[in-house]
Amino acid sequence: DTAVSQTPKYLVTQMGNDKSIKCEQNLGHDTMYWYKQDSKKFLKIMFSYNNKELIINETVPNRFSPKSPDKAHLNLHINSLELGDSAVYFCASSPLGFWPAFFGQGTRLTVV
Amino acid sequence: QKEVEQDPGPLSVPEGAIVSLNCTYSNSAFQYFMWYRQYSRKGPELLMYTYSSGNKEDGRFTAQVDKSSKYISLFIRDSQPSDSATYLCASRAGGYQKVTFGIGTKLQVIP
Repeated sequence: DTAVSQTPKYLVTQMGNDKSIKCEQNLGHDTMYWYKQDSKKFLKIMFSYNNKELIINETVPNRFSPKSPDKAHLNLHINSLELGDSAVYFCASSPLGFWPAFFGQGTRLTVV
Repeated sequence: QKEVEQDPGPLSVPEGAIVSLNCTYSNSAFQYFMWYRQYSRKGPELLMYTYSSGNKEDGRFTAQVDKSSKYISLFIRDSQPSDSATYLCASRAGGYQKVTFGIGTKLQVIP
């Protein structure tokens, strides 16, 4: 039974399109995150939610908008996709301590 | 200068060797220190976390933090081929501060 699951696993899309990535955790954790891992494998925080409240909003373009309908779900919507958005996006959750403890398998986004 | 510096490697060791993975950090406010393991094309897994200076042991893994020199280490004893992965160190300050990751060190354990 997957703890943190993301869909889709792969996403290939054209520049200018709008796409969403969904994340769900069944661990009962209060805190969820979105991370971006670029081609150099550098992992950077994008957003963090604690009990549906936005806690961290890093310097990302406002084309990226997170939404947390409940504390088990954190979705990421991206408008007007650009080539530079190509990366692996990871969702994660944590029970306490405010560091990511469980990661999803990642969504590999390729913008062409 | 990155807040958390880590040599990307790769680091190749024979099976059974003791592996030493290291990071340095520049932010004196960092209080919490984590190590993650990431297999190819998978999400990172949290291996260990420590608060402030000192050692923490979990099976074959030992995490060490020296705040005076801003140095973070992970030791793996009796390394196995299944330990072959990228190891990321990470740190954060107190409160709801973001976690900053190192670039990761790629480790290969040769049978």
